[in-house]
Amino acid sequence: DAGVIQSPRHEVTEMGQEVTLRCKPISGHNSLFWYRQTMMRGLELLIYFNNNVPIDDSGMPEDRFSAKMPNASFSTLKIQPSEPRDSAVYFCASSPLASGNYEQYFGPGTRLTVT
Amino acid sequence: SQKIEQNSEALNIQEGKTATLTCNYTNYSPAYLQWYRQDPGRGPVFLLLIRENEKEKRKERLKVTFDTTLKQSLFHITASQPADSATYLCALDHNAGNMLTFGGGTRLMVKP
Repeated sequence: DAGVIQSPRHEVTEMGQEVTLRCKPISGHNSLFWYRQTMMRGLELLIYFNNNVPIDDSGMPEDRFSAKMPNASFSTLKIQPSEPRDSAVYFCASSPLASGNYEQYFGPGTRLTVT
Repeated sequence: SQKIEQNSEALNIQEGKTATLTCNYTNYSPAYLQWYRQDPGRGPVFLLLIRENEKEKRKERLKVTFDTTLKQSLFHITASQPADSATYLCALDHNAGNMLTFGGGTRLMVKP
């Protein structure tokens, strides 16, 4: 099994630029989560999808952030325009959500630096 | 407001000893609680899930307890090894759904 795949692994961009992070969940998993991790705030849930439908986006910090899941094997998290305070590690995770299997499988993360 | 507390200070122990990590929570009524391990530069890795009606769960050298009265979970690693050195995160569900809120994690250092 390939696990959750994220790209790019590192992204350095200038303030004001658009950033797109990508995620491929584990095949057969029907829940997908986007998290952000910083030293100050820890691991925070941004948004999650069940069967490609956004269920809860209350963690999305502001309108500059948007996420899509056009099909079961692909999701994007977009930041437009980016700001230095968006610098963090962004994780994607997927879960099978089958008969109580609530464990989440995380990707390697994308380290975003906004200068 | 809902709160999950893990000891933010690193826990240093000697190889072979039992490591015990604590997760306390307030204003939650979780249906289950999970523990994850995170190594530097990597994503968290699922270790154990314990449900509200279970008091204890074991997996190899790992043991988790869940006390819904005290609102506390303890995570034990017996016969600890330097390879167990990592940050350990606890996570609670939201209303029996599959959304999780994570604690800040505790860094464990096992010295040879």
